[in-house]
Amino acid sequence: AQTVTQSQPEMSVQEAETVTLSCTYDTSESDYYLFWYKQPPSRQMILVIRQEAYKQQNATENRFSVNFQKAAKSFSLKISDSQLGDAAMYFCAYRKASGYSTLTFGKGTMLLVSP
Amino acid sequence: ETGVTQSPTHLIKTRGQQVTLRCSSQSGHNTVSWYQQALGQGPQFIFQYYREEENGRGNFPPRFSGLQFPNYSSELNVNALELDDSALYLCASSQGRFSGANVLTFGAGSRLTVL
Repeated sequence: AQTVTQSQPEMSVQEAETVTLSCTYDTSESDYYLFWYKQPPSRQMILVIRQEAYKQQNATENRFSVNFQKAAKSFSLKISDSQLGDAAMYFCAYRKASGYSTLTFGKGTMLLVSP
Repeated sequence: ETGVTQSPTHLIKTRGQQVTLRCSSQSGHNTVSWYQQALGQGPQFIFQYYREEENGRGNFPPRFSGLQFPNYSSELNVNALELDDSALYLCASSQGRFSGANVLTFGAGSRLTVL
């Protein structure tokens, strides 16, 4: 069974600084997708970034980028130029690429952003 | 394009009662998944419906049941409520049944408190 581990319950960053959130996972599959979701106090899960395991190039979305290390089964999220609106719970998630599959989430990391 | 809407947003029930939660999927989406998010935890998969049929289920007892309607909206029913059922229930819709690439669109959830 797949597992997703986020070892940082809480992280803090100052506005305009850079922060990295860690995620490791375990799977026997060779093709899969990894995701970072943001859950603000409004509770709605918002997709931040997605990475396919077969793509060696790390995904980027504006200020958000990932460091995907397939052999190490590591998938960290880097937020550059942090903004107050980035404050939220961040969840790392895994999903098999083909066949029946559901999202498996980690426990989340609370990101605090201070002025 | 409308997103995923859930109702009610909050509700309080007592142990032993039954509850129905509702979800309207995003326009064009034919698959609905339900997740339970306990306090301080990541979401856990309950089940998934594709074109009105359940086609996947997580580790939840039979007192958790669901329906999907011809317009692809969905209901989650929980019978014989227990204190541990207190959680945020998230609905997510997507297009297509089997593809890890499918992006799930989440609703803001229904917060259930069981007393």
